[in-house]
Amino acid sequence: GNSVTQMEGPVTLSEEAFLTINCTYTATGYPSLFWYVQYPGEGLQLLLKATKADDKGSNKGFEATYRKETTSFHLEKGSVQVSDSAVYFCARISGGGADGLTFGKGTHLIIQP
Amino acid sequence: DAMVIQNPRYQVTQFGKPVTLSCSQTLNHNVMYWYQQKSSQAPKLLFHYYDKDFNNEADTPDNFQSRRPNTSFCFLDIRSPGLGDAAMYLCATSRDLPKNRGPYEQYFGPGTRLTVT
Repeated sequence: GNSVTQMEGPVTLSEEAFLTINCTYTATGYPSLFWYVQYPGEGLQLLLKATKADDKGSNKGFEATYRKETTSFHLEKGSVQVSDSAVYFCARISGGGADGLTFGKGTHLIIQP
Repeated sequence: DAMVIQNPRYQVTQFGKPVTLSCSQTLNHNVMYWYQQKSSQAPKLLFHYYDKDFNNEADTPDNFQSRRPNTSFCFLDIRSPGLGDAAMYLCATSRDLPKNRGPYEQYFGPGTRLTVT
């Protein structure tokens, strides 16, 4: 079935470091792709999305580019802040007639001052 | 201002004792979803309502049921909780389904953490 694979955490970085969280998806069709963020004690929030190949989603300094050739949607940020500490989920539209989202397992990001 | 509200945030139930989790939304969205998220795992879709139409995922156990009495409210009923049902339950809404000229953003509530003793 359709799946999403993202790097295991926790990922610990110092403030102002460069961030990459890898995400790959199974290439069934051309699914829309998403990054969601979950801050402690809160629900999932949409961070950014891309709906077709070569699209770049961006928000709050985060970016991800839909790469069809590598079936990837890696999340990047040039300079992380302590407030970026959260769990990040990569997701795709499930596809195949299903109407929900298929998520990766989540990556816990810890930013140290 | 909370748009998707889940109550309670924490729920403890006994093995085999029915439990109901609730979700409400102020967005007037057509679609409401229930996801189950076990520890260190990805959220997994259980079922969703498109308006009054109920859609169950193929691998959702019969132990899980849902009700949507009106647009704003949706309930998750677990008829006989087992220890394996302990998880975070996430409610989400979206304006429409992805296949209807989507995608449409899903808005998530904070979740209810269910403990089964």
